Amino acid sequence: AQSVTQPDIHITVSEGASLELRCNYSYGATPYLFWYVQSPGQGLQLLLKYFSGDTLVQGIKGFEAEFKRSQSSFNLRKPSVHWSDAAEYFCVRRDNYGQNFVFGPGTRLSVLP
Amino acid sequence: EAQVTQNPRYLITVTGKKLTVTCSQNMNHEYMSWYRQDPGLGLRQIYYSMNVEVTDKGDVPEGYKVSRKEKRNFPLILESPSPNQTSLYFCASSSSSLDEFFGPGTRLTVL
Repeated sequence: AQSVTQPDIHITVSEGASLELRCNYSYGATPYLFWYVQSPGQGLQLLLKYFSGDTLVQGIKGFEAEFKRSQSSFNLRKPSVHWSDAAEYFCVRRDNYGQNFVFGPGTRLSVLP
Repeated sequence: EAQVTQNPRYLITVTGKKLTVTCSQNMNHEYMSWYRQDPGLGLRQIYYSMNVEVTDKGDVPEGYKVSRKEKRNFPLILESPSPNQTSLYFCASSSSSLDEFFGPGTRLTVL
């Protein structure tokens, strides 16, 4: 079965520091990959997505992610974190041949002032 | 405004009492789905629908039913809720299976 792993359950960074959230997916055909963010008590918002082409994708709120096929990874990055970025982040994979979306377990981000 | 709506947003019920959570989208999307979110498990897909009258099981379908009689609506039915179905539920829709738009969530507690 297709799967998505996010090795870090919880990350704490200081405001202004850089951020990298890790995501790995199980082997398969070129996946469709997404990052979603969920603020406390809120729904889910799409940050960015990768379907094909340029492996570095830009998203909203200053986030970017890089698709690395050789490492089966799709890590999310931000050069300077803001306090409002504190939230839970989900890496998501879509089955290339079907409609099934598979979520990673999520990484909770805390931001220190 | 393009959106996915869910009702109710909060529900407390008792074991065995049938309930329905409604989901509606105004974007004419073909694809709709239901997820449940539990701590440490992320979101797990319950059921999905690729179009009217076409539904299929996701990863955790046991104890749930769905129907898709109209394109815009995709209700989630719990015929006999149990405490292990206490969770946060999200409905989502998408067009051509691209990124999904999520509803605001329904927090269900089964006593």
